[in-house]
Amino acid sequence: EDKVVQSPLSLVVHEGDTVTLNCSYEVTNFRSLLWYKQEKKAPTFLFMLTSSGIEKKSGRLSSILDKKELFSILNITATQTGDSAVYLCAVGRGASGTYKYIFGTGTRLKVLA
Amino acid sequence: DVKVTQSSRYLVKRTGEKVFLECVQDMDHENMFWYRQDPGLGLRLIYFSYDVKMKEKGDIPEGYSVSREKKERFSLILESASTNQTSMYLCASRPGQGGSPLHFGNGTRLTVT
Repeated sequence: EDKVVQSPLSLVVHEGDTVTLNCSYEVTNFRSLLWYKQEKKAPTFLFMLTSSGIEKKSGRLSSILDKKELFSILNITATQTGDSAVYLCAVGRGASGTYKYIFGTGTRLKVLA
Repeated sequence: DVKVTQSSRYLVKRTGEKVFLECVQDMDHENMFWYRQDPGLGLRLIYFSYDVKMKEKGDIPEGYSVSREKKERFSLILESASTNQTSMYLCASRPGQGGSPLHFGNGTRLTVT
């Protein structure tokens, strides 16, 4: 059975800290791994990873995929209170026209001022 | 920017009622998805559609059906609402070809009493 596991389930840090969120997966016919940030409403897209070892970066956020060990990490440096959210990992599987995404349960991050 | 619009933000229905949740996207996406999101369980796929009039069961289709008569609109139907269907429902879309992320609507929080 396909599964996506995120850890930790929740995390509380202080502003300025660096955090690392983990996502491991066991999925047949892997195609991509996505990271989303969810505050009150719709999840917003952060990164899409398809190749091992290539870091994607956007400001203070970065992510990398290891297809051999079947995991990805999302790093947030110099955290701010605005980073408080649930971070979702999703793995895409299937053929091009029949993609399906499987989500982990999310990591709830709270950043204290 | 892709816009995915869900017709209601909050909905309260009684047990046994037939409930329609509507989702419209404006980017001519072939693929559309319905997820429900519950604490500790993450996003779980209910149904998805690869194209007009096509539908596939996701991981938890029991008690739900869908309709995709037009490309831009994907409806989720609860045939006879039950209290265990109280949840946040998220609609998403993506292009049919290539690896593209999901674009989400803002969600409908459904309470069944």
